[in-house]
Amino acid sequence: EAGVTQSPTHLIKTRGQQVTLRCSPISGHTSVYWYQQALGLGLQFLLWYDEGEERNRGNFPPRFSGRQFPNYSSELNVNALELEDSALYLCASSLPLGGYGYTFGSGTRLTVV
Amino acid sequence: AQSVAQPEDQVNVAEGNPLTVKCTYSVSGNPYLFWYVQYPNRGLQFLLKYITGDNLVKGSYGFEAEFNKSQTSFHLKKPSALVSDSALYFCATTGGSTLGRLYFGRGTQLTVWP
Repeated sequence: EAGVTQSPTHLIKTRGQQVTLRCSPISGHTSVYWYQQALGLGLQFLLWYDEGEERNRGNFPPRFSGRQFPNYSSELNVNALELEDSALYLCASSLPLGGYGYTFGSGTRLTVV
Repeated sequence: AQSVAQPEDQVNVAEGNPLTVKCTYSVSGNPYLFWYVQYPNRGLQFLLKYITGDNLVKGSYGFEAEFNKSQTSFHLKKPSALVSDSALYFCATTGGSTLGRLYFGRGTQLTVWP
């Protein structure tokens, strides 16, 4: 069974640019979660999608947005990149409501210069 | 709101000795508790979870955790540490009205020295 896949694995962007990160969940999982792991700041919750709807949002500005497609894959978009957006972005998937387990991808390392 | 606390940023232990990584939780309703491990520049790997049932949960790589409701704790343990256990460990919870969203602790860096 394929795990959670994220793409790209690494990318470098310039301040002010826009970036799109992608996540494909495990087959059968309908919920997708996005987390930001910046150096020294732990795991910060960004967004949760289930069945195409945004279920919950963390304390991030509106320039962080996303969506979930009918096949349950998801995109995270970040506009007007700032240096402090440099981080590892992790995606996880689960069955609805997630309480029985979450599987994480290997992440996308974003560097903003 | 749900939360977990990992009171130690770092734990150091000699290879072969038992290890404990501490976690306490605050959850309204019944908690769902998880431990994950992260190696450098990698995603999170699942170790074990407590949903219901036996308070002692056994997981991957010889790790176990004990759910203690009276102390609201879920400490991760291993009887004999390996150098390869050196990594960043995260405790997480979900439950109550926000069932679904995972709340993470700050993480504990475990170093096992030979």
